[in-house]
Amino acid sequence: GAGVSQSPSNKVTEKGKDVELRCDPISGHTALYWYRQRLGQGLEFLIYFQGNSAPDKSGLPSDRFSAERTGESVSTLTIQRTQQEDSAVYLCASSLGVPGGSAGELFFGEGSRLTVL
Amino acid sequence: GESVGLHLPTLSVQEGDNSIINCAYSNSASDYFIWYKQESGKGPQFIIDIRSNMDKRQGQRVTVLLNKTVKHLSLQIAATQPGDSAVYFCAENIRGFQKLVFGTGTRLLVSP
Repeated sequence: GAGVSQSPSNKVTEKGKDVELRCDPISGHTALYWYRQRLGQGLEFLIYFQGNSAPDKSGLPSDRFSAERTGESVSTLTIQRTQQEDSAVYLCASSLGVPGGSAGELFFGEGSRLTVL
Repeated sequence: GESVGLHLPTLSVQEGDNSIINCAYSNSASDYFIWYKQESGKGPQFIIDIRSNMDKRQGQRVTVLLNKTVKHLSLQIAATQPGDSAVYFCAENIRGFQKLVFGTGTRLLVSP
């Protein structure tokens, strides 16, 4: 597709269940980012991939959160044993370069809205 | 620490007015700043950016001003239209870190 694609767009789960959120970046974009956005708040950085490696995981809130990226393309964000405070929109973005550099503009998907009951 | 904040959580203007959205940042090592627009149910969309070696940059109907002395960033929207209604975020990139730090956001409401 032409843009960043995320799935599912909406996910409702019960507390304690595991969830997987998927991101398909723009073809050819080597950098991929996950952000979390709680209701009425800004974007919290979670993790950054360059290719298949994650040089910056500093934003992952706990060991229940993990992410991987394969084939320098699709990325999956996994949340284990979900808690109510995990409810948020999870946004993925991709870019050709790094912020501030040439072709460093981040293109965002529409997000996956997670509701933990 | 890393933080980007905003002075006004909600800004209401009349169609045709000029809008100014403000943002304060705290990290003097930030060298690149961006404004994003987010409409309801959508991801943020790039509006305009500015590097720290500049103090003003203009786009179509938008101008970004950067005051490094007081660590302040503003977005000016000329002749605001109802389609400009959205939440606006400023974001900063700290030199050496390959990620953007976002502020809380300002909701712009434009009345016809």
